[in-house]
Amino acid sequence: KAGVTQTPRYLIKTRGQQVTLSCSPISGHRSVSWYQQTPGQGLQFLFEYFSETQRNKGNFPGRFSGRQFSNSRSEMNVSTLELGDSALYLCASSIGTGGETQYFGPGTRLLVL
Amino acid sequence: GQNIDQPTEMTATEGAIVQINCTYQTSGFNGLFWYQQHAGEAPTFLSYNVLDGLEEKGRFSSFLSRSKGYSYLLLKELQMKDSASYLCAVKEKGGNTGKLIFGQGTTLQVKP
Repeated sequence: KAGVTQTPRYLIKTRGQQVTLSCSPISGHRSVSWYQQTPGQGLQFLFEYFSETQRNKGNFPGRFSGRQFSNSRSEMNVSTLELGDSALYLCASSIGTGGETQYFGPGTRLLVL
Repeated sequence: GQNIDQPTEMTATEGAIVQINCTYQTSGFNGLFWYQQHAGEAPTFLSYNVLDGLEEKGRFSSFLSRSKGYSYLLLKELQMKDSASYLCAVKEKGGNTGKLIFGQGTTLQVKP
């Protein structure tokens, strides 16, 4: 089976712009979770989507949003980018029925200038 | 509140054994995961504990004590390629949520 894929792998934006990141889960996985990883804060949970519905949400401002499509692919959007949004954005997929392992994609490294 | 603590850095010698500890305080508990992350790469799954005790998988073992809020990852016969960050993550109780709470990670350096 193919692993979790994320596009793009690298992105450079300027403050105030918006960005959309994409994640394709492992075939058969219906849950996609998004995380932000920074040197100072580590890995922090953004949100989780399951069957096209947001099932859980972390403590991030409303500028961070996401969605999931019927084929389980997910996108996350960050509007009005700030310098502090520079980070590695990771998505993880799992079957979605509870307790099982999450498998991570390679991440999108976002740099905001 | 939610709190997961791991040592920031550890150093060990090739061929030796190293134990990486993780303590947690969360509002609920539905399992603990260990991930390995090499610099610039994605975290990869190592182990999952939901019941007390030791889980062994080759050179890697993970232990859990739910009453003490404590876990450790044991790496035996260390190899240079084991130099990486090791992340402890807790899944809180509550439905089928995919939310994992991560510690800051332990950077392990293996020296020859």
